[in-house]
Amino acid sequence: NAGVTQTPKFQVLKTGQSMTLQCAQDMNHNSMYWYRQDPGMGLRLIYYSASEGTTDKGEVPNGYNVSRLNKREFSLRLESAAPSQTSVYFCASGLGHTDTQYFGPGTRLTVL
Amino acid sequence: GESVGLHLPTLSVQEGDNSIINCAYSNSASDYFIWYKQESGKGPQFIIDIRSNMDKRQGQRVTVLLNKTVKHLSLQIAATQPGDSAVYFCAENSGGSNYKLTFGKGTLLTVNP
Repeated sequence: NAGVTQTPKFQVLKTGQSMTLQCAQDMNHNSMYWYRQDPGMGLRLIYYSASEGTTDKGEVPNGYNVSRLNKREFSLRLESAAPSQTSVYFCASGLGHTDTQYFGPGTRLTVL
Repeated sequence: GESVGLHLPTLSVQEGDNSIINCAYSNSASDYFIWYKQESGKGPQFIIDIRSNMDKRQGQRVTVLLNKTVKHLSLQIAATQPGDSAVYFCAENSGGSNYKLTFGKGTLLTVNP
């Protein structure tokens, strides 16, 4: 079991460029999540998907879109990157809302 | 305990000592709590969890204590090792059908050999 995998590991973008962060899990989990982690701010939820076919906004959704492609995959898209989106992005998955979330290794994104 | 502002609280212990990391949570309706460990450059790693109908749960070298009266959670690490050096943070689920976890900002544990 690979658990939760994320690609890419590192990315540098220029302001206004777009990109998609990929996440996949092989634990047959129903729910998947995207977080960003900034110094002093802790983990903040961007979007989540309670089950295949559904997505909902989290705490900081502005500037992002998501797609739950199938049960395994949940992608995060930045349509027009801004320097404020420089962060470390983590994907997580879990069985359901009362269960542990398991995290991927993260994507370190810098927007110049 | 949990951090306020930009600087994480730190705990420095000697190898072999026991460590206690504290967390104050805010929502009295929270019914599920998790402790995570995050090493530098890595994703958070699940350590142990506890539900609100319990006040203590033990794992391998770790114990979580929950005091609902004062909304306090603690993580005890026995015989701390250099490999335990990391940021530790708690998370709470506020119950019901809420899928969202609320995370604390963490405590940096440094283990001196």
